[in-house]
Amino acid sequence: QSVLTQPPSVSAAPRQRVTISCSGSSSNIVNNGVSWYQQLPGKAPKRLIYNDDRVPSGVSDRFSGSKSGSSASLAISGLQSEDEADYYCSAWDDRLNGPVFGGGTKLTVL
Amino acid sequence: QITLKESGPTLVKPTQTLTLTCSFSGFSLSTFGMGVGWIRQPPGKALQWLALIYWDDDVRYSPSLKTRLTIAKDTSTNQVVLTMTNMDPVDTATYFCAHSMTTGSFDYWGPGSLVTVSS
Repeated sequence: QSVLTQPPSVSAAPRQRVTISCSGSSSNIVNNGVSWYQQLPGKAPKRLIYNDDRVPSGVSDRFSGSKSGSSASLAISGLQSEDEADYYCSAWDDRLNGPVFGGGTKLTVL
Repeated sequence: QITLKESGPTLVKPTQTLTLTCSFSGFSLSTFGMGVGWIRQPPGKALQWLALIYWDDDVRYSPSLKTRLTIAKDTSTNQVVLTMTNMDPVDTATYFCAHSMTTGSFDYWGPGSLVTVSS
């Protein structure tokens, strides 16, 4: 069972906007930056967001992150078929003294 | 340009010790703020953080696996080695190494190395 809680799956049509939630606690999300990763089938994860809402150079601006209290969200606008992937949130956990991951969310583009 | 690559056995027997090497380039683990971590992913399951080592020899381990893990760095060869003792079939997974700054966020990942535990 993962420390951070994500919905197992989400779906939306092309060109729509979808959000993926990530729920944590005061030992992780509340006091530490959240990262989001995209994992295409058979590939290594790729970081999309860091420090809650920062987008690394080279990552599409269709991806955005936000945080409020003990929850964080990843939003993907203008959905494309190539966005079909698993998405993971992560944050440092002060109690466990290391990073923790969510259980992952599978995005289906209808 | 930062790159990382994992290497090690693809098959280990139960009770054996697994040794994985992460070879990297594009940064030095003697530079302030730099770190390398190990993360694994059982087939069809979520990512699980295992261990982290930083430029100043600070090491962190997943509490649930701490007694079985050892992480070490060799700054002269740009490698980080992870050992995991007493391997079990539930440890079958793809093992990734990744670059991290002090926040524990992983910005560059290796392609991963699938390790199967079976007799």
